[in-house]
Amino acid sequence: KAGVTQTPRYLIKTRGQQVTLSCSPISGHRSVSWYQQTPGQGLQFLFEYFSETQRNKGNFPGRFSGRQFSNSRSEMNVSTLELGDSALYLCASSFMGFSDTGELFFGEGSRLTVL
Amino acid sequence: EDQVTQSPEALRLQEGESSSLNCSYTVSGLRGLFWYRQDPGKGPEFLFTLYSAGEEKEKERLKATLTKKESFLHITAPKPEDSATYLCALVPGAQKLVFGQGTRLTINP
Repeated sequence: KAGVTQTPRYLIKTRGQQVTLSCSPISGHRSVSWYQQTPGQGLQFLFEYFSETQRNKGNFPGRFSGRQFSNSRSEMNVSTLELGDSALYLCASSFMGFSDTGELFFGEGSRLTVL
Repeated sequence: EDQVTQSPEALRLQEGESSSLNCSYTVSGLRGLFWYRQDPGKGPEFLFTLYSAGEEKEKERLKATLTKKESFLHITAPKPEDSATYLCALVPGAQKLVFGQGTRLTINP
């Protein structure tokens, strides 16, 4: 079956702009979670959506937001980009969420570069 | 504050040389501890979930164990294809997922 698909894979933005990243989960999965990965901070949890509702949230500023649609596809948005937002953004899907089995299926990520 | 610390940061082994990776944690309450493998340019791949002290899980050359303060990922007779970054993550009492910084493992043929 098809895996988790993230688009775009690579993008370059300038400071102050905003960006929207998309994630299509595995068919039947209702939970989508987002992560930021950087060499310095490692992998950090952004938020989780389940059946169109944000269920959990990490310690990121309000510039980071997301949503989930009725077909479980999810988007995350970063407004007023800063240089420090340069990172690999990973999306993961699961049937019930990470708190149940921990078995998350990750996409290959969207690599964002902020100039 | 919930913290996860992995050691060593990097480990280089010869093919067939067994070793262990460590994940120590301080959390308010543990709902589950997970191990993932990440290859360069890829997203993490799920390996194991451990829920309680004393639990063990095995998969091919990998075996994960859990105590009240740490988890170990034992690698027996590794092969070059086991080279990857191994990530430990856990769900503390609060509803969030916390990752360690990872151990970068290299197996030389």
